[in-house]
Amino acid sequence: GDSVTQMEGPVTLSEEAFLTINCTYTATGYPSLFWYVQYPGEGLQLLLKATKADDKGSNKGFEATYRKETTSFHLEKGSVQVSDSAVYFCALSDRGYSTLTFGKGTMLLVSP
Amino acid sequence: EAQVTQNPRYLITVTGKKLTVTCSQNMNHEYMSWYRQDPGLGLRQIYYSMNVEVTDKGDVPEGYKVSRKEKRNFPLILESPSPNQTSLYFCASSSLSNEQYFGPGTRLTVT
Repeated sequence: GDSVTQMEGPVTLSEEAFLTINCTYTATGYPSLFWYVQYPGEGLQLLLKATKADDKGSNKGFEATYRKETTSFHLEKGSVQVSDSAVYFCALSDRGYSTLTFGKGTMLLVSP
Repeated sequence: EAQVTQNPRYLITVTGKKLTVTCSQNMNHEYMSWYRQDPGLGLRQIYYSMNVEVTDKGDVPEGYKVSRKEKRNFPLILESPSPNQTSLYFCASSSLSNEQYFGPGTRLTVT
């Protein structure tokens, strides 16, 4: 079955540091890939997505590239802010957007 | 404002006492889903619905029921809650070609 593996957290960074959160997946077929963000006490919000190989999703300074050859979708940001502190979930969908398979989430803590 | 709403946001109950968590969306979405979020396990899908009167099991459906009598509503029913159903629950909806929108969550404690 489908699965998503992402690096365990927490990831602790200082403000303006470079961020990478690794995500790899296993799926039959050609899934769409997503990063969702969950701020404290809130629901999940879509951060970015990519629907086919070599697509790059980007939003709010975050980027991720769909790498079919390495089955990866790593999240990156060049300069994190304290307000980026949240839990980040990598997810895939290969049966339409109605069903998502999530990774376990990675907590990011950014200090001033 | 486009949104998914859930009620209640917090609920403490006792084992065996039936409860319903409501979910409503105002975006005319066809798809709706329920997830539970547990530490170290991420989000797991409980049930989903592709349209009115069409529902299907997700990855962890045991102990839960759902219904989809109207397009906008997708209640989650726990007929006999048990402590292992203590969790954070999220409802989500999406259209045919768009991403899922999540509700704010319902934190359930079963004692």
